[in-house]
Amino acid sequence: VQLVESGGGVVQPGRSLRLSCAASGFTFSSYAMHWVRQAPGKGLEWVSTISYDGSNKFYRDSVKGRLSISRDSSKNTVYLQMNSLRGEDTAVYYCAKGVAAAGRDYFDNWGQGTLVTVSS
Amino acid sequence: SYELTQSPSVSVSPGQTANITCFGDRLADKYTGWYQQRPGQSPVLVIYQDTKRPSGIPERFSGSNSGNTATLTISGTQAMDEAAYYCQTWDNNNVVFGGGTKLTVL
Repeated sequence: VQLVESGGGVVQPGRSLRLSCAASGFTFSSYAMHWVRQAPGKGLEWVSTISYDGSNKFYRDSVKGRLSISRDSSKNTVYLQMNSLRGEDTAVYYCAKGVAAAGRDYFDNWGQGTLVTVSS
Repeated sequence: SYELTQSPSVSVSPGQTANITCFGDRLADKYTGWYQQRPGQSPVLVIYQDTKRPSGIPERFSGSNSGNTATLTISGTQAMDEAAYYCQTWDNNNVVFGGGTKLTVL
């Protein structure tokens, strides 16, 4: 299993950025995918989840209406569209593959992360 | 919103047992996972569904969940176990992480 994030960088407040996560080594269309972020020196914070078929999407409250998750099974890639960015969105963004157990996902594989810095 | 609380730090001597706890309201009604994150690295799943170990995770890692407390136990702690550990659960369709515990092996 390999997950490779890209698209991070420095962006001004209010601007947009799109993160990508290219997946390989497993049947991408069979697994939910997740984004988790970590602000510098802080803990892990879940951002968003997309079901295996893209029909269900979930977000933490602080990003609802600004961030949007999607997936393209033809490219084995999951995306995070980030609009109206704020300083508090500054973090390393990790893509994670879900493994289901007792009806809930855990994150059994993680990418290396991509840094998003929101600053003027 | 649901919260998970962890002690910021735990210290243990090499070869001893480390217990890292995670507190949440009626946490035993939910399932819990644990992640290890060494400095500069991505997190690694070490326990899921309270007690299960993914393949490749050493047997010295174990988990339990009762009442309001989930516990990650590391038996025979080694220097390589020095890391931050995060508990995780689900509340409806939201994932919740604890604040993390820094384990120092000294």
